[in-house]
Amino acid sequence: GAGVSQSPRYKVTKRGQDVALRCDPISGHVSLYWYRQALGQGPEFLTYFNYEAQQDKSGLPNDRFSAERPEGSISTLTIQRTEQRDSAMYRCASSLAVGASGAKTQYFGPGTRLLVL
Amino acid sequence: QKEVEQNSGPLSVPEGAIASLNCTYSDRGSQSFFWYRQYSGKSPELIMFIYSNGDKEDGRFTAQLNKASQYVSLLIRDSQPSDSATYLCAVNNAGGTSYGKLTFGQGTILTVHP
Repeated sequence: GAGVSQSPRYKVTKRGQDVALRCDPISGHVSLYWYRQALGQGPEFLTYFNYEAQQDKSGLPNDRFSAERPEGSISTLTIQRTEQRDSAMYRCASSLAVGASGAKTQYFGPGTRLLVL
Repeated sequence: QKEVEQNSGPLSVPEGAIASLNCTYSDRGSQSFFWYRQYSGKSPELIMFIYSNGDKEDGRFTAQLNKASQYVSLLIRDSQPSDSATYLCAVNNAGGTSYGKLTFGQGTILTVHP
């Protein structure tokens, strides 16, 4: 079936604008994750959901960043009042349900490249 | 100290050789360990995961885990030029309640030359 999809693939915005990044997980995957990846670095955890519940948002850098997944499927990562330091690749991943049995394999989407001018 | 550390490389090996990629982690409560491969400009893709001490083999790939030493490695036998990529080690620190959070190392760049 289709993999994880993200939109837009590229986003250029001016400093101070709000942006919304969308992720559509693999069908049947109830866990969804957001990461940020800087050039030459590994992905950095931002937040994750089981169904519509946000389980961990400890990686969100500050209160300008928020995420939601209201119906337990598509998720939106919103960055308010963007700053140049927010420029990065934002990656979404999904997996089967994760719980006390341990982490499940996460499948990554193609990412959204955000550039804040 | 970083939570997950990898030598950034680049690691260069000749075609047909064994490539050895290493990763150390700081959280003794870590339970699950993953190796991802990332080609330039692409998204990470899973190669292997390992949960228990010892070796786990899958084709040309072998993952090795030593929880006492907090060390996980990936061996690639009969390396091919198509194996040239960045290899990311990821650890699940499920010591608390964040069962889904993966912490990644910075990745090791592997180059396999003909």
